[in-house]
Amino acid sequence: SQQGEEDPQALSIQEGENATMNCSYKTSINNLQWYRQNSGRGLVHLILIRSNEREKHSGRLRVTLDTSKKSSSLLITASRAADTASYFCATLQGAQKLVFGQGTRLTINP
Amino acid sequence: KAGVTQTPRYLIKTRGQQVTLSCSPISGHRSVSWYQQTPGQGLQFLFEYFSETQRNKGNFPGRFSGRQFSNSRSEMNVSTLELGDSALYLCASSLGVNAGAFFGQGTRLTVV
Repeated sequence: SQQGEEDPQALSIQEGENATMNCSYKTSINNLQWYRQNSGRGLVHLILIRSNEREKHSGRLRVTLDTSKKSSSLLITASRAADTASYFCATLQGAQKLVFGQGTRLTINP
Repeated sequence: KAGVTQTPRYLIKTRGQQVTLSCSPISGHRSVSWYQQTPGQGLQFLFEYFSETQRNKGNFPGRFSGRQFSNSRSEMNVSTLELGDSALYLCASSLGVNAGAFFGQGTRLTVV
């Protein structure tokens, strides 16, 4: 079963705009991770935020974590066509067991 | 460093057959995990191996099995294939709990 809910399920924006995706989870976590998947291919690890961190940046990505609300958000600034992909949040449960949300399908329109 | 390599990339099998998928992790990564991805169920954890030992197992029937070799390479096997086993099977390797997982490109299995 899925651990988290992602919102929205699909997002379509214009190139250059910012994209925000949200993730909620159910149990206490050690860390929360975000991954990108281009159509039918493997997942690419984007960023990991530990449970004692509130915000983390990596290039155009900004992730926040609110453990009291059991939620996280991923912000992609100045979007590009190459950012078109599905984005998944995942929480770690037990030894290297990632539990994924159902993902947000992001489309960047030129 | 080479990334995670999965073979084969595509596979078509008939119901009732069995299949073996292979995964070579990134050099130095001792943890290897397997996931099944389908449109209906999304990404689901199958199992994880570390130093040839299965440390964690997902909620899949016993037809799904795996193993890890001393060089950290891993295989998963699905016996008595069913149509519902058609999926993208992803392998990931990792250095540890607070390191991200590196995924291979996956093996797309079609059962007919």
